[in-house]
Amino acid sequence: GAGVSQSPSNKVTEKGKDVELRCDPISGHTALYWYRQSLGQGLEFLIYFQGNSAPDKSGLPSDRFSAERTGGSVSTLTIQRTQQEDSAVYLCASSLTTGTILGYGYTFGSGTRLTVV
Amino acid sequence: QKEVEQDPGPLSVPEGAIVSLNCTYSNSAFQYFMWYRQYSRKGPELLMYTYSSGNKEDGRFTAQVDKSSKYISLFIRDSQPSDSATYLCAMRLGGGTSYGKLTFGQGTILTVHP
Repeated sequence: GAGVSQSPSNKVTEKGKDVELRCDPISGHTALYWYRQSLGQGLEFLIYFQGNSAPDKSGLPSDRFSAERTGGSVSTLTIQRTQQEDSAVYLCASSLTTGTILGYGYTFGSGTRLTVV
Repeated sequence: QKEVEQDPGPLSVPEGAIVSLNCTYSNSAFQYFMWYRQYSRKGPELLMYTYSSGNKEDGRFTAQVDKSSKYISLFIRDSQPSDSATYLCAMRLGGGTSYGKLTFGQGTILTVHP
């Protein structure tokens, strides 16, 4: 696609429910990243994929968070048993590769705004 | 202490002013430095990237990196109301398994008023 697409754009869920957030990267981009942005805060790294593997998942806050990527394309971030502190904007980004000058800058999606009530 | 510190502002300037945005960092292994601009309810977009110390200019924007002081800056000349946004500095390592990861500052909210 022309850009990074995230869905849904907004999600309101009840505390304790599971949610799935989807990211569709730019076609051909091999690297995919998930970040979280809380109100008034910078971006907090969660996980990144190179192809279908995740070399670095050190930013996932707890075992309630998981992510997968299939076919080297679409990625899903799943949050189980959501808590109010999970409320944030979840941003996905992609780049051609992590190792070349073109990969230095990501292209971000517009994010999923998650509200846990 | 955060690895990257950025004054969140907010910063309000008149149109035409020169704006200076800054970040300091603690990890001397950071090699690549970026500035992103984020409009409300949008994802960040890449403005500038630099490698190692020095200056880089692109139109009204100049990025500076001083690795000896662990300090980076973004200057905006002749600021316009359309520059009103949140500006985020970001940096990454030069290698290793985590070199795809960017570490961001908190972002500075800038308003340029006519």
